[in-house]
Amino acid sequence: AQTVTQSQPEMSVQEAETVTLSCTYDTSESDYYLFWYKQPPSRQMILVIRQEAYKQQNATENRFSVNFQKAAKSFSLKISDSQLGDAAMYFCALEGQGGSEKLVFGKGTKLTVNP
Amino acid sequence: KAGVTQTPRYLIKTRGQQVTLSCSPISGHRSVSWYQQTPGQGLQFLFEYFSETQRNKGNFPGRFSGRQFSNSRSEMNVSTLELGDSALYLCASSLGWQGETQYFGPGTRLLVL
Repeated sequence: AQTVTQSQPEMSVQEAETVTLSCTYDTSESDYYLFWYKQPPSRQMILVIRQEAYKQQNATENRFSVNFQKAAKSFSLKISDSQLGDAAMYFCALEGQGGSEKLVFGKGTKLTVNP
Repeated sequence: KAGVTQTPRYLIKTRGQQVTLSCSPISGHRSVSWYQQTPGQGLQFLFEYFSETQRNKGNFPGRFSGRQFSNSRSEMNVSTLELGDSALYLCASSLGWQGETQYFGPGTRLLVL
């Protein structure tokens, strides 16, 4: 079975500062995909970033970047220059190549951005 | 392009009733997946449909079922509702069935009394 663990239920950051959200996962698959999704109070899930496991280069999307450590099965999200609009629940998710369970999500990290 | 739409957005039912939720994917997307989100269990995968065929099914009882139509629209049905079925039900669509980014709808919030 595939599992995703987010060890930080809550995090806070000052506006304009940088914060890193942790995620570890477990899978027996050799190829898989990793995602970070954001869920603001509106409950609409929004893709933040996507990483293909066979690519060693860390994915980046504007102020968002990941630190993908395949051997350690770690996939952390770094948010630079935090903005008030970044406040949300952040979910790490995994999809194995076998696609047996589609997306497996972590429990989420609630991010608060302080002005 | 219009995003994923889900209807209805809110629903109140009583125990024992059944409910049908609808999801219209992004135009051109052929895969539709359903997830249940609750405070206790978090986000759990229900099932996935691709080209009208169920590809995967999560660990839910048979009371939960779904289908996909030829236009890729999908419905999920829950029969004999239980209090524990109260949740936010999210639908997501993607172009293909493996490794593609899933785009989520706004969800249907179901309350079972």
